Amino acid sequence: AQSVTQLGSHVSVSEGALVLLRCNYSSSVPPYLFWYVQYPNQGLQLLLKYTSAATLVKGINGFEAEFKKSETSFHLTKPSAHMSDAAEYFCAVSEKAAGNKLTFGGGTRVLVKP
Amino acid sequence: DADVTQTPRNRITKTGKRIMLECSQTKGHDRMYWYRQDPGLGLRLIYYSFDVKDINKGEISDGYSVSRQAQAKFSLSLESAIPNQTALYFCATSEAPGGPASLGELFFGEGSRLTVL
Repeated sequence: AQSVTQLGSHVSVSEGALVLLRCNYSSSVPPYLFWYVQYPNQGLQLLLKYTSAATLVKGINGFEAEFKKSETSFHLTKPSAHMSDAAEYFCAVSEKAAGNKLTFGGGTRVLVKP
Repeated sequence: DADVTQTPRNRITKTGKRIMLECSQTKGHDRMYWYRQDPGLGLRLIYYSFDVKDINKGEISDGYSVSRQAQAKFSLSLESAIPNQTALYFCATSEAPGGPASLGELFFGEGSRLTVL
């Protein structure tokens, strides 16, 4: 069975500082991995996805994530935080064997300080 | 207009009442899902449907039922609402396998916030 763990339910960063959100997954087969962002009072939207084409994946708004099979990780980073990055971020995994249904982590809420 | 539309966006009800949340989509996707979001728990799958004649339970289906009225419509019902069903509910869609975006990527509605008193 697939599962996702996000380390840290809340992260506080200063504007201009590095954003690092951690995600570890459990999957019996090579997974597809996703990061979604949820802005206040909105639904989730896709930031980026890993589908086995390249281990370093670039997404929208300057975010990127690196798939590390040996560490079963898919951490999300952004070199320089902006106030508009304040949101909740969800890591998710899907497996072909599970009908490509997504399993989500618990989410990490990012606060950006001026 | 949004590709995935949920109604109502907000609802307050009382214990024991029947509630229906509706979802419609214009993306032409075969697959539709209902998720529940609770703080710290992420999103948990309630029910999903891979086509009009296919309904499947997710990880937390107890106390809920669904109806897939058409390819574009998927409704979630709480037959007798209870306070621990207070949550933010999301409808989502995805392509069937074989499509260009068929690796599980979901497209979400804006959510329906339900409060059960």
